[in-house]
Amino acid sequence: SAVISQKPSRDICQRGTSLTIQCQVDSQVTMMFWYRQQPGQSLTLIATANQGSEATYESGFVIDKFPISRPNLTFSTLTVSNMSPEDSSIYLCSGSGHLNTEAFFGQGTRLTVV
Amino acid sequence: RKEVEQDPGPFNVPEGATVAFNCTYSNSASQSFFWYRQDCRKEPKLLMSVYSSGNEDGRFTAQLNRASQYISLLIRDSKLSDSATYLCVVNTNAGKSTFGDGTTLTVKP
Repeated sequence: SAVISQKPSRDICQRGTSLTIQCQVDSQVTMMFWYRQQPGQSLTLIATANQGSEATYESGFVIDKFPISRPNLTFSTLTVSNMSPEDSSIYLCSGSGHLNTEAFFGQGTRLTVV
Repeated sequence: RKEVEQDPGPFNVPEGATVAFNCTYSNSASQSFFWYRQDCRKEPKLLMSVYSSGNEDGRFTAQLNRASQYISLLIRDSKLSDSATYLCVVNTNAGKSTFGDGTTLTVKP
């Protein structure tokens, strides 16, 4: 399986600012995804990062709030824009080689908005 | 109704016990199934894939019943190190993974 390096691992940010999270995969992957995990809860899919085109967002998530880039098959970024305390969460990226194979995850970014 | 439902537990068992986790999914078109393990403050990590024929990896056995849309994980001879949250994961269309809310296991000496 591939290895995903995600950074930053944690950050404390002021409300109204933006944070960009990066994920670098050590090999090419077909699929990349971004998730959010609230404390004590499971993972919620934010969007599918599409290589060379706009991401596909899940219900409740919009591009203006969570712009995503995926310029190639090994790299993606998620920006959390105009942050509020409600955005405090763990953000995780994942990748998989094919549609029905297992996904592997970055180490997560623990975001606190104050 | 959630797409993937798990018994949230928590399960508190002594070392050496056998414990079983259950999971149901609602989308009959789901293609692939997995159990992940998540330790506190860590990312989820794949424990095992789940096949219709059932599969076993050491002390862990996973079963899939497509007709009932049911997945199970059996852990035998529990170890302290098995304490974690176990996530049932179903891949629906476009390769997206839908996660259950997780079942928390604590193995006590």
